[in-house]
Amino acid sequence: QTVVTQEPSLTVSPGGTVTLTCASSTGAVTSDYYPNWFQQKPGQAPRALIYSTSNKHSWTPARFSGSLLGGKAALTLSRVQPEDEAEYYCLLDCGGGQLVFGGGTKLTVL
Amino acid sequence: EVQLVESGGGLVQPGGSLRLSCAASGFTFSGYWIHWVRQAPGKGPLWVSRLNEDGSYTSHADSVKGRFTISRDNAKNTLYLQMNSLRAEDTAVYYCVRGTVGAPGLDYWGQGTLVTVSS
Repeated sequence: QTVVTQEPSLTVSPGGTVTLTCASSTGAVTSDYYPNWFQQKPGQAPRALIYSTSNKHSWTPARFSGSLLGGKAALTLSRVQPEDEAEYYCLLDCGGGQLVFGGGTKLTVL
Repeated sequence: EVQLVESGGGLVQPGGSLRLSCAASGFTFSGYWIHWVRQAPGKGPLWVSRLNEDGSYTSHADSVKGRFTISRDNAKNTLYLQMNSLRAEDTAVYYCVRGTVGAPGLDYWGQGTLVTVSS
């Protein structure tokens, strides 16, 4: 089974920029993995942010963007706000009918 | 407004069965893939199962293959998850999630229903 790896934790200052990444144990992440990104705050269901690498949902703030970076999927947050403090999860379509979530990145805004 | 409302969770003994339901509204249910995703207490989400628009294609995570079955009734706008041979490690909040149109992905999430497997 494919293992999807994210940074366990990151810290960013308000107004700053941070990039979260998502790697696959089977090799480079490409657009064929259709990377998705989700934000989850305590006590809430996850909320979708990005699909198919870089496409935003209608509710996704403009400061969030998705890309491929160095063989990984990436989520970049610009002009970070205090309310962006949350857990972030990526999801990859790993083929064979299997979708796999990453272990999550706890983002602290400090 | 898109709404997904799960029900059917509860306490069940190891080896037992449970059927979850997800009532959908606010969109054309028969036009979307639908997924189940679970999240154990204090852990990240785990994708469980998915089903295409007319129910002709399904896939399941290896950890539930042969034990869980996903199905849908498009006339009732309802998704189901039949869970058999339940184990303690199946304890989690189970979410019903709509698939993104045109590409693999997830968009709208329900609020989840808690399944606890314990003796």
